[in-house]
Amino acid sequence: GENVEQHPSTLSVQEGDSAVIKCTYSDSASNYFPWYKQELGKGPQLIIDIRSNVGEKKDQRIAVTLNKTAKHFSLHITETQPEDSAVYFCAASISGNAGNMLTFGGGTRLMVKP
Amino acid sequence: EAQVTQNPRYLITVTGKKLTVTCSQNMNHEYMSWYRQDPGLGLRQIYYSMNVEVTDKGDVPEGYKVSRKEKRNFPLILESPSPNQTSLYFCASSPGQIITYEQYFGPGTRLTVT
Repeated sequence: GENVEQHPSTLSVQEGDSAVIKCTYSDSASNYFPWYKQELGKGPQLIIDIRSNVGEKKDQRIAVTLNKTAKHFSLHITETQPEDSAVYFCAASISGNAGNMLTFGGGTRLMVKP
Repeated sequence: EAQVTQNPRYLITVTGKKLTVTCSQNMNHEYMSWYRQDPGLGLRQIYYSMNVEVTDKGDVPEGYKVSRKEKRNFPLILESPSPNQTSLYFCASSPGQIITYEQYFGPGTRLTVT
């Protein structure tokens, strides 16, 4: 089955700096890559996703890049703010006849220092 | 308000005592799923359902049962809980029958098995 590895497990940045979280996946058939943000005491919430037919997607201060050849994708947060502090999860999925499962990485705890 | 609800939010039980965690969504979503979250392991999928009366195993189904008799409800059943099932559990739902849509997570159920 699919295996997703996520690095780093913790990341501390100064407010205003950029943060980058990287994930690798094992199954070349994976075609959907969402990122979820989990605040303390809450369930994860989707912040951005990318499908295999594009290499990059942006939404204000957040961007995701995908390299299908190398089987890795990354989350980029620019101009970080204290409210960006949370645990971030990447995930990978194969949709369609191959199955309907979502495999998550181990998570990254991001701390933004004011 | 569109939401996924789980009950109970906290549960302490003893080994072998059957329990059920309920999950309900009011968004008319086709897809529902259960995850467990453990430190360093991210979220791992236990079971999922693409429609009423259709359920499939995820990555870690051992020791769990589910049923989908109604579209809105997807209970998780532990017939004989063991200490290794101590974890944080999340229910999620998604429109459509395939995984490549945003998943909406419930608030979580923290289960302790002694």
